[in-house]
Order: sequence, then structure tokens, then C-alpha cells
Amino acid sequence: GQQVMQIPQYQHVQEGEDFTTYCNSSTTLSNIQWYKQRPGGHPVFLIQLVKSGEVKKQKRLTFQFGEAKKNSSLHITATQTTDVGTYFCAGNSGNTPLVFGKGTRLSVIA
Amino acid sequence: DAGVIQSPRHEVTEMGQEVTLRCKPISGHNSLFWYRQTMMRGLELLIYFNNNVPIDDSGMPEDRFSAKMPNASFSTLKIQPSEPRDSAVYFCASSKHNAPLEAFFGQGTRLTVV
Repeated sequence: GQQVMQIPQYQHVQEGEDFTTYCNSSTTLSNIQWYKQRPGGHPVFLIQLVKSGEVKKQKRLTFQFGEAKKNSSLHITATQTTDVGTYFCAGNSGNTPLVFGKGTRLSVIA
Repeated sequence: DAGVIQSPRHEVTEMGQEVTLRCKPISGHNSLFWYRQTMMRGLELLIYFNNNVPIDDSGMPEDRFSAKMPNASFSTLKIQPSEPRDSAVYFCASSKHNAPLEAFFGQGTRLTVV
């Protein structure tokens, strides 16, 4: 079945440094979504990418969908302590349900 | 809208006991998902429903797990009998079947089986 891999599993950064997490799917995706889960919280939707090569920005966050629609990345510029949490990518093909990656846990040291 | 509502928020039970987790999806959403989250395995999809009908339960780990959705506003996930390895956070999520397929998660139920 469809698998979604995410790297790295953990990332510790100094406040102000940049951060990137990468997502790879074993199959071509219809769309990819990104979620953020704060410690002790639940996953919250951030964004959805649909088009090949699509790039979207939300303030300091930049999301990219690969040309082949099998990979994606999330880049945070100048991290802040409020960015702490686990970032998940999730993808689906056609009408299949979302398959989540295992997430990247981001720690930001002030 | 209050969002996806799950109950209880925390459950501690003894091995062998029956556990029932409850979920009320967002009104108007016709897809409902049950996920289990652990450190080791991450977020695993257990089962999902479209229009109250179970579509894919291949993620349900064993016959001890069962899920129902008797109507559009209520679903249950039951574990009988429970085992310590079932300890996890169980999330319910709902979405509209039509794109975008953004999933809205409940606060989760933290289950501890001792």
C-alpha cells in the first residue's frame, strides 16, 4: 500500500536558524497536506498542495510539492519558539484516505 | 462549530476490560476517521467511514477492535478485551468527502491500559 516517509525524525535548532522537513511517497499523490501538532495537542491542518511543482508560503513557512508529485518539503525561516511541535505530511491518491508520515519533531532552543 | 468532539479525554483501565471511545464529527462532514498515535508507530489509520459506512478497516489491529457509526453525528471505537499494548492516544477526525480533504482532528483520547 501507499507509504509516506518523512525525514528527519527529530530536529533541534537554535532560535533564528532555518528548518526543513522532507516527505516522500511511494506512489504519485493527488495532493499533499501538512499538519502541525503542538506538544500534548492534536494535528492541525496547515496547508494543501495539489499542483505539480507548487510552492505556497505562509509567513515564514514555505511549502513545496515536487514535480513528480511524490515528494514535498516544509521550510521554516528563522525559527521561533512558537514553531515547536511535530510537523506531519499526509498524502492521498484519488479517493483513498490520507496516509500520514511519522512526522518531524522540531525543538527550538532559545 | 465546536469541532470534532471526543470523549473521554483520558481513560485508565485494567487489562481485560472493555473500552469504548466516542466521537462526534463536525456537522456536515461525511467522512470520519479513527487514528491511533504512539511514539513507535506514529499516526496509524485504523478505520474510516464515508456516509456512515465503513470503507476500509484494514488498519484495525485485531478482532479485539471494532468501530461503529450508527448515524452521521456519532461513532464509537471499542476495544474488548483491552491489553497494555493498546495504550496510545486515539484521534477521531472528520472531513468532507469532496476535495479539499482537510481533516479536522478531535482532541484525542489518551488510553492507558494497566
